[in-house]
Amino acid sequence: EAQVTQNPRYLITVTGKKLTVTCSQNMNHEYMSWYRQDPGLGLRQIYYSMNVEVTDKGDVPEGYKVSRKEKRNFPLILESPSPNQTSLYFCASSLKGQGDSPLHFGNGTRLTVT
Amino acid sequence: DAKTTQPTSMDCAEGRAANLPCNHSTISGNEYVYWYRQIHSQGPQYIIHGLKNNETNEMASLIITEDRKSSTLILPHATLRDTAVYYCIVRVAVTGTASKLTFGTGTRLQVTL
Repeated sequence: EAQVTQNPRYLITVTGKKLTVTCSQNMNHEYMSWYRQDPGLGLRQIYYSMNVEVTDKGDVPEGYKVSRKEKRNFPLILESPSPNQTSLYFCASSLKGQGDSPLHFGNGTRLTVT
Repeated sequence: DAKTTQPTSMDCAEGRAANLPCNHSTISGNEYVYWYRQIHSQGPQYIIHGLKNNETNEMASLIITEDRKSSTLILPHATLRDTAVYYCIVRVAVTGTASKLTFGTGTRLQVTL
């Protein structure tokens, strides 16, 4: 089944403890992206990647890192998480990064930083 | 990307057609209209997209006005499982440049018995 898989679904951690949220897609998509969703602020893009070894900042990249060493994987790294990074995170992918290529989302990771 | 305007909420009786409007009066000629929905806190689900012509798939129909300044998403026979927040998004298509989806606040559709 074609899908975007994120892990873990739920994560509770403490301030400053490095963590990684994994994202994998099995559709051979070139474009991948991370979003965070907060009440009243909607979905905001964190980082995106047009292809392997190509990543770029989205609207809210501060405090996050990403890497794209393989086409299928796009992990989100929080080197030193803070409480303001408590949020619902979504990974998404599409065949291309342009307008005629629907974005497909994973089921989300709910992160709580205490 | 052009901004969209949607009603905050709508109700629809189960079995009836749900017609969700979207205004995108500043849309450019190279911008697609996309519809997504989000059920509870699940990942947004792609529904349909179009450029100029009306589109239909197994989930819904998309009607775009001739001047492209507005569109309507039609769920032909709404069920309780269609209760969700529906997002109308315009997305530019520029080859070689990433084109992100900018989500607004959407329309909360409540399907009732």
